Amino acid sequence: DAKTTQPNSMESNEEEPVHLPCNHSTISGTDYIHWYRQLPSQGPEYVIHGLTSNVNNRMASLAIAEDRKSSTLILHRATLRDAAVYYCIRSQFGNEKLTFGTGTRLTIIP
Amino acid sequence: GAVVSQHPSRVICKSGTSVKIECRSLDFQATTMFWYRQFPKKSLMLMATSNEGSKATYEQGVEKDKFLINHASLTLSTLTVTSAHPEDSSFYICSARQGKWPSYNSPLHFGNGTRLTVT
Repeated sequence: DAKTTQPNSMESNEEEPVHLPCNHSTISGTDYIHWYRQLPSQGPEYVIHGLTSNVNNRMASLAIAEDRKSSTLILHRATLRDAAVYYCIRSQFGNEKLTFGTGTRLTIIP
Repeated sequence: GAVVSQHPSRVICKSGTSVKIECRSLDFQATTMFWYRQFPKKSLMLMATSNEGSKATYEQGVEKDKFLINHASLTLSTLTVTSAHPEDSSFYICSARQGKWPSYNSPLHFGNGTRLTVT
């Protein structure tokens, strides 16, 4: 089981940065870290993924610890539309399946 | 970007009837699609892996005779909930990955889900 650990919930003020942590202490060298988010009554949406280096895209940044045992998803300026459940998932070499944990429910305070 | 379309978005059916849910990859070919189920306030649970041209692979505890999966083309997978009962009421979500093997490092694209209510 490709286990990751995330806080159940977090709150952040609108227009401020948000740092969502994820622990994956048993990660292997070829595992990727994926982040998805799910808005209410919708399917999950891909956010970002990475292997070792920090990654940036239009939605977010992903900071991966040097030992790769943890990572942080960074939303640079939260909006109300960022309120969602965020899932951090390990993608294992040779295994196309993604197993979802419980994720972090992010609440944005206006 | 890659889009996965799921239909219908919402369906209500009577107990004992069957319901078919379609999942299409709109601008890419998907040899593999995944079907998830999600109960209220819970995370997504993988039900099965749909393989184009071959049998689906079901996760432990998922009844293959109840949840029939057909992946007849590179852009279409269907999930049929047979003889549905109220406990089958759930949010069903399909997904597919764009990219060549090994694709474990490619993102999954998800449909918008189908909310099934069995009365």
